[in-house]
Amino acid sequence: DAGVIQSPRHEVTEMGQEVTLRCKPISGHNSLFWYRQTMMRGLELLIYFNNNVPIDDSGMPEDRFSAKMPNASFSTLKIQPSEPRDSAVYFCASSWTGSNQPQHFGDGTRLSIL
Amino acid sequence: GQQVMQIPQYQHVQEGEDFTTYCNSSTTLSNIQWYKQRPGGHPVFLIQLVKSGEVKKQKRLTFQFGEAKKNSSLHITATQTTDVGTYFCAAVTGANSKLTFGKGITLSVRP
Repeated sequence: DAGVIQSPRHEVTEMGQEVTLRCKPISGHNSLFWYRQTMMRGLELLIYFNNNVPIDDSGMPEDRFSAKMPNASFSTLKIQPSEPRDSAVYFCASSWTGSNQPQHFGDGTRLSIL
Repeated sequence: GQQVMQIPQYQHVQEGEDFTTYCNSSTTLSNIQWYKQRPGGHPVFLIQLVKSGEVKKQKRLTFQFGEAKKNSSLHITATQTTDVGTYFCAAVTGANSKLTFGKGITLSVRP
C-alpha cells in the first residue's frame, strides 16, 4: 500500500518567493491534514479537510498561507510570499473520517527560506 | 483551548532502564492516541485508548488510560536504542473535533 506521498522532500528558496507543497493522501481516506513542525512550537495543525472541504483553518498563520484540495487524491499548501520564519517541516496526513481514526503521515517537506 | 501536556520534553536513559512518560489534560478526553517519531522521520501511529482504565501492550511498550480519562501513560520496559525518538500523545479537542498533539517527549538511550 502506498502511504501519504509528499513533494518535494526538501525545498530551499529565497524569501519573497512562492512555495507550493503537494500531498497525495492514502486512497480511500477522506480526511486530510496539514501540519507544521518546528523545535519551538512542536507539531501544529494548520488546516484540515473532510471530503475535500476545509473544516478548520484556524491554524493557518496568516493570509500568506493557503491550502486547496481540488479532488480526493491531491492537496496543496501554498505560501506566498515566503518568509524566513516559515522555515519548518511541513507534514501532510490522512485518515478515515472520525476523530478516533489514526492519522497516517507523509515523510514531510523540509522547507528552508533564506 | 484544551491542550494535552507532556512534561518533560526530553529524557535520557541508560539502555536497559525502564522509562515512563505521561500525558495530562485538564478535561475529560474521549480517547487518546500515541505516536512515535524517529529522528528525521514522521510521526507514526502506535495505539489508541478509549475506555477508562484501559491498558494495552505492544511488546515492551505499555499504554494506559487513566480512570478519569484525563491522563495517559506510556511505559517502556528495558529500553533499547531502537526506542529512541519523540513520543507524542494526541487527543480530540475543540468543537471541530480536531486532534491536538502534545509537545512530545524526546527519548535518548545511552548504549
